[in-house]
Amino acid sequence: DTGVSQDPRHKITKRGQNVTFRCDPISEHNRLYWYRQTLGQGPEFLTYFQNEAQLEKSRLLSDRFSAERPKGSFSTLEIQRTEQGDSAMYLCASSSSFPGTKHEYNTGELFFGEGSRLTVL
Amino acid sequence: RKEVEQDPGPFNVPEGATVAFNCTYSNSASQSFFWYRQDCRKEPKLLMSVYSSGNEDGRFTAQLNRASQYISLLIRDSKLSDSATYLCVVNVASGGSYIPTFGRGTSLIVHP
Repeated sequence: DTGVSQDPRHKITKRGQNVTFRCDPISEHNRLYWYRQTLGQGPEFLTYFQNEAQLEKSRLLSDRFSAERPKGSFSTLEIQRTEQGDSAMYLCASSSSFPGTKHEYNTGELFFGEGSRLTVL
Repeated sequence: RKEVEQDPGPFNVPEGATVAFNCTYSNSASQSFFWYRQDCRKEPKLLMSVYSSGNEDGRFTAQLNRASQYISLLIRDSKLSDSATYLCVVNVASGGSYIPTFGRGTSLIVHP
C-alpha cells in the first residue's frame, strides 16, 4: 500500500498525558499537512511542511501542540498535557507542489490518511 | 466570519433528484477550489477540482463565481451511493503560501 499511513489509529489517554501521532506520506510528495476534525465539522488546518521546513504553524491550537518532519519524510504531531477538548480525529494529508511565478501552488489533490482518533478521558 | 462557509444541511432527497450545494469564501485572493467527498468515518477524498470556466464529470458539475466568491456543486440523477458529506476546499492565501481550507461540509442523504 503506497498511500498515506497514520499511527496509531486510535489512542485513549488520560488528561495531562502526552501523545504523539505519526504520519508517513506518499513517498514522492513534498508537502505534508496536519488537520484536526471534530464531529460535524470540516477538517481544521493545523500546520504544514514543505519537505522538512514547517511553513505555517500559527494555526496550531496552542503551545501544547508541536509538529516535526525532521528528514522531510514522515512527520509527528505531539500534544503535551492533553485536555478533554483535544479529543478529535487528527488527519494527515500529503500532496505535491509546483512552483508558480510568485507563489508555490498546491496542485490540488490532498491524499489523506485514515486518521488517528484521540480520546482524552 | 469563517474563511469558507457551507450550509451543513442535511439535504434529504429521493433517488433521481437533482441537488445543488453552494460554498462561499471570504478571501478574494484565494486560488484553486475543490470539492471533496467524505463518507461516514472515512477520510476525505477529492471529488473534483473547480475551474473558472466550470467543469463537468459525469453527473457532477462544478462552477466558480469569482465576482461573488462562491463555488457550487450540482449532482444530477442522485444515487443512493451519493449519500455522504461534501466538503468545499479553497486554497486561501496566507503569508506567501496557500492553505487548503475546508468548509464544515454539507451532508447529503439520498433515499429510495
